[in-house]
Amino acid sequence: SQQGEEDPQALSIQEGENATMNCSYKTSINNLQWYRQNSGRGLVHLILIRSNEREKHSGRLRVTLDTSKKSSSLLITASRAADTASYFCATDGTGANSKLTFGKGITLSVRP
Amino acid sequence: NAGVMQNPRHLVRRRGQEARLRCSPMKGHSHVYWYRQLPEEGLKFMVYLQKENIIDESGMPKERFSAEFPKEGPSILRIQQVVRGDSAAYFCASSSRQGVKNIQYFGAGTRLSVL
Repeated sequence: SQQGEEDPQALSIQEGENATMNCSYKTSINNLQWYRQNSGRGLVHLILIRSNEREKHSGRLRVTLDTSKKSSSLLITASRAADTASYFCATDGTGANSKLTFGKGITLSVRP
Repeated sequence: NAGVMQNPRHLVRRRGQEARLRCSPMKGHSHVYWYRQLPEEGLKFMVYLQKENIIDESGMPKERFSAEFPKEGPSILRIQQVVRGDSAAYFCASSSRQGVKNIQYFGAGTRLSVL
């Protein structure tokens, strides 16, 4: 099973609403990151939260991390049609040469 | 400051041919990662390289796939004797791995189609 697993798999909301996406993971991490992918493009890094942090903000993004539950959430406030994309969480393990492990992603559709 | 450059963007090969995918990391980055993405799925890690070294190839198929990151020039992902199941988008990412932050910067990908 995957390290980072997001839910829901797909989310459709109206412009202006908030979008909340969740991610669960299984092993200890150094940090957790969220990435965004527009259709047919590469991934773009959005935000990183360290294992000793509980909440982080960046513009309209808010990320929380609960290491006791091994879960994270990404909140996008006041969504826009341009936020339509796939969102992935990625965990960075504790080993010296650990790799990022990505979930399957959440497809967000924001209706104008 | 150019980002991660991948070429070609699209590659069409017939079964049995070889595919060579190239990746130039961001300036100053010495860590390169290759991922494969199938439609409607997330990224599957393939290999992690530093200059002239393979650090982790746990995601690479044992046969037909190889990767290198020479001292000079781009990283190359090579797929020999391609099969239809190799059709996918292949993404390269680079990182400077400063401290504990492993923020990866992605290229636009190479879409491989095997006929």
